[in-house]
Amino acid sequence: GAGVSQSPRYKVAKRGQDVALRCDPISGHVSLFWYQQALGQGPEFLTYFQNEAQLDKSGLPSDRFFAERPEGSVSTLKIQRTQQEDSAVYLCASSLQGTGAQPQHFGDGTRLSIL
Amino acid sequence: GNSVTQMEGPVTLSEEAFLTINCTYTATGYPSLFWYVQYPGEGLQLLLKATKADDKGSNKGFEATYRKETTSFHLEKGSVQVSDSAVYFCALSHVGSNYKLTFGKGTLLTVNP
Repeated sequence: GAGVSQSPRYKVAKRGQDVALRCDPISGHVSLFWYQQALGQGPEFLTYFQNEAQLDKSGLPSDRFFAERPEGSVSTLKIQRTQQEDSAVYLCASSLQGTGAQPQHFGDGTRLSIL
Repeated sequence: GNSVTQMEGPVTLSEEAFLTINCTYTATGYPSLFWYVQYPGEGLQLLLKATKADDKGSNKGFEATYRKETTSFHLEKGSVQVSDSAVYFCALSHVGSNYKLTFGKGTLLTVNP
């Protein structure tokens, strides 16, 4: 497929467990973004990569959240010692390059539920 | 800081009715503006965009005009269809901040036959 692919689609974890969410962006897209979408809300920015460089992580809510993109393509968002407030849909988006005019293309998201 | 305020829903219309979803923004500089749509069970899709003042974005019968004087980007469609039922998000991209998106809270539209 040519779109942004995220896995797993659904993830259930017990409080305190670590989780890893994967994003496979559109081939050739330089920019990659992670967003968190709480129920009934709009997505909120978490972090941004340009190739393998993480240029903005101002939206990460705590040091339990960590993201990487080691080879400039696939990205992983890791949440350590999960809490109930981490329950949300995590969206990944990619764009050709980081300019305001370039639209971001979103994956279907990973719905994370913390019990 | 930058923010987006959009009309709260839900909005329920009959087929062929006129649709307006209001969106206003606060931003420094000159952001690009977007409408994204999320159909049931699907991811966010770009519906239309405008990158400078007075630009009109359009797609699938939807239109929105970038109004700098009123800081607005209202979404309109002349005749909605049942298939337009979805959640609509207004968003802006930040100038000089890696162009991350700031979204409104979303407006749920239900179109009845």
